[in-house]
Amino acid sequence: EPEVTQTPSHQVTQMGQEVILRCVPISNHLYFYWYRQILGQKVEFLVSFYNNEISEKSEIFDDQFSVERPDGSNFTLKIRSTKLEDSAMYFCASRGSLEGGRNEQFFGPGTRLTVL
Amino acid sequence: KNEVEQSPQNLTAQEGEFITINCSYSVGISALHWLQQHPGGGIVSLFMLSSGKKKHGRLIATINIQEKHSSLHITASHPRDSAVYICAVKGVTDKLIFGTGTRLQVFP
Repeated sequence: EPEVTQTPSHQVTQMGQEVILRCVPISNHLYFYWYRQILGQKVEFLVSFYNNEISEKSEIFDDQFSVERPDGSNFTLKIRSTKLEDSAMYFCASRGSLEGGRNEQFFGPGTRLTVL
Repeated sequence: KNEVEQSPQNLTAQEGEFITINCSYSVGISALHWLQQHPGGGIVSLFMLSSGKKKHGRLIATINIQEKHSSLHITASHPRDSAVYICAVKGVTDKLIFGTGTRLQVFP
């Protein structure tokens, strides 16, 4: 079965550094999402993306965050200047269209980001 | 107040027991998801439902839209069912709103 993939599985960075988290959504999916889960807390929505633009973003998704679909397959989350509180597991998800088939969000395995 | 509440937070069971996890939500929804998160962190979708009941193997999910409540049942539980089970709802927008999860441990 097709799946969402994410790289790297674990990223360690120094505070203030830029990080790019990469995701390859399921190939025929059109809607893309980033979520994060701080250790011990619930999963939180960051941003949704469709047709090469942001559909919705949360309060967490401030100017330090950006998303991009640089080519036909990758979907990236960039954090410009990481803070300690950005340490979390970041999940990418994708979804097909509403018409026909399974239209729930499929999640990637996550990237654990540790900011020192 | 959380928009999605789950109970219990932690659940311990003996192998073979029937398990129920509950989810209540306070917002209008278009769909409700039950997800499974393993110790490594990965999230797997179990069910998406907007009405009635769905069954997959030993798992059954029900939803009552009027009461804003859903349940996930596991019949004949097994140690490999040990995981965190998460309820998430999709409201008027496309994003999912997550509950805090129920940690299930099934002992042999």
